[in-house]
Amino acid sequence: GAVVSQHPSWVICKSGTSVKIECRSLDFQATTMFWYRQFPKQSLMLMATSNEGSKATYEQGVEKDKFLINHASLTLSTLTVTSAHPEDSSFYICSAVLTATYEQYFGPGTRLTVT
Amino acid sequence: DQQVKQNSPSLSVQEGRISILNCDYTNSMFDYFLWYKKYPAEGPTFLISISSIKDKNEDGRFTVFLNKSAKHLSLHIVPSQPGDSAVYFCAASTGNQFYFGTGTSLTVIP
Repeated sequence: GAVVSQHPSWVICKSGTSVKIECRSLDFQATTMFWYRQFPKQSLMLMATSNEGSKATYEQGVEKDKFLINHASLTLSTLTVTSAHPEDSSFYICSAVLTATYEQYFGPGTRLTVT
Repeated sequence: DQQVKQNSPSLSVQEGRISILNCDYTNSMFDYFLWYKKYPAEGPTFLISISSIKDKNEDGRFTVFLNKSAKHLSLHIVPSQPGDSAVYFCAASTGNQFYFGTGTSLTVIP
């Protein structure tokens, strides 16, 4: 079955530093990937849509200069949280769309803690 | 390998009838299970959850059943309404990570 991985699964960083999170579709190509953020006991919030070879489309209220998304290949999208602050501490989840069927496969998530 | 599976990609139900969405998992360490509902062009919305220490949780028209021995959970929607038409994802968690199914597209026919 199609598998999406995220790396790292857990990261702690200091305020002001940048953190890169990778999302990989391991056995299929995905022209579209999504990045979500989840606050405790709340729904997943769509942050942006990442399309291979083009600029990501950000949802309203999401700072594109703070959350840099790069989808350089059909199997990899990265989310870089720049100049992280404690309020950026959250659970970030990506998903990849299997182009042939439009099924969406989710990664296991990355827990970011900014101290 | 997929640790959470939704084997039915789509389901059609008449309005007023019961919708049953199924989900199977492989990891016995999962301790929390969730259902999300997703409309097109939106992020998934949390619907209902259940802890592994329970076998049933009910919230209005939505009930989730958990069968740990079979590693199976299901979402029942009664009565189904046209507004329930969406893609439903089940998810399982070990606390630090979430594992999602691929979704079942529910269509409620008026």
